[in-house]
Amino acid sequence: EVQLVESGGGLVQPGRSLRLSCAASGFTFDDYAMHWVRQAPGKGLEWVSGINWNSGNIAYADSVKGRFTISRDNAKNSLYLQMNSLRAEDMALYYCVKGGSSWYGGVWDFWGQGTLVTVSS
Amino acid sequence: QPVLTQPPSSSASPGESARLTCTLPSAINVGNYNIYWYQQKPGSPPRYLLYYYSDSDKGQGSGVPSRFSGSKDASANTGTLLISGLQSEDEADYYCMIWRSHAWVFGGGTKLTVL
Repeated sequence: EVQLVESGGGLVQPGRSLRLSCAASGFTFDDYAMHWVRQAPGKGLEWVSGINWNSGNIAYADSVKGRFTISRDNAKNSLYLQMNSLRAEDMALYYCVKGGSSWYGGVWDFWGQGTLVTVSS
Repeated sequence: QPVLTQPPSSSASPGESARLTCTLPSAINVGNYNIYWYQQKPGSPPRYLLYYYSDSDKGQGSGVPSRFSGSKDASANTGTLLISGLQSEDEADYYCMIWRSHAWVFGGGTKLTVL
C-alpha cells in the first residue's frame, strides 16, 4: 500500500524557516518524480515544487522561487521542502505527491494527507 | 489569478451530465497539452481522475468510473471533463492541470453541486 506521510508543519513567524518532510512507502521511490502542492484555507490547489527521480530536474512555482528548496533522499525514501523567508501567503496545507515515472508526467495518483503550515506573528 | 480558467461553480441533477470546462490562455493551444483532471472532496486530498490529449492518447485513473471522460474544444481553447449519469457522490471540487513553461499549473477549480 502506497503511503505518503508529511511532517514538519506548524506555526512559524513571518520571515522564519520551516522544513517539511515526507516519508514514502509502498512503491519504488526512486522510480518517480515527487512534488509538493499546497492549498490555502478555502482556496484551490497550487503546485509548489517538483523533483525528478535523481534530482536532475527541479522546478519551482514563481511564488516560492528563491525561498524554497526541494530535495530528496532516495536511500531514505524521503522528500523534503526547505522553506525560508516565510510569508503570510505561504500559509497552507502542504501535500506530498507521488509524481509520474516521467518528469513531465501529470498522473499524480497518490497524495499524502498534508501538513499544515501557519505563518503568523 | 490562475492561468487556467474554470467556472467557480456548476450544478446538475442526479442522472444528468455535467460538463466542466478548463480554458487555456489564448497564447497557448489546447491541442498541444495533456489536460489532467483531479477531484477533491471536503477534508480529503485530491484524487487523480484522468488525462486527455486526444481520443487516441488518454488515460483513466485506477478505479475511476468510465462515466468520467475528457475531451477538448479547439475552437474554445478548452479542455472538458464530462461526468455522465451524475451521482450524489460526484459532488466535489474539480481541478484541471497542465505542464507549461517548466511548471505545473492548476485551474482555480469548479465546485460541482449535485442537486
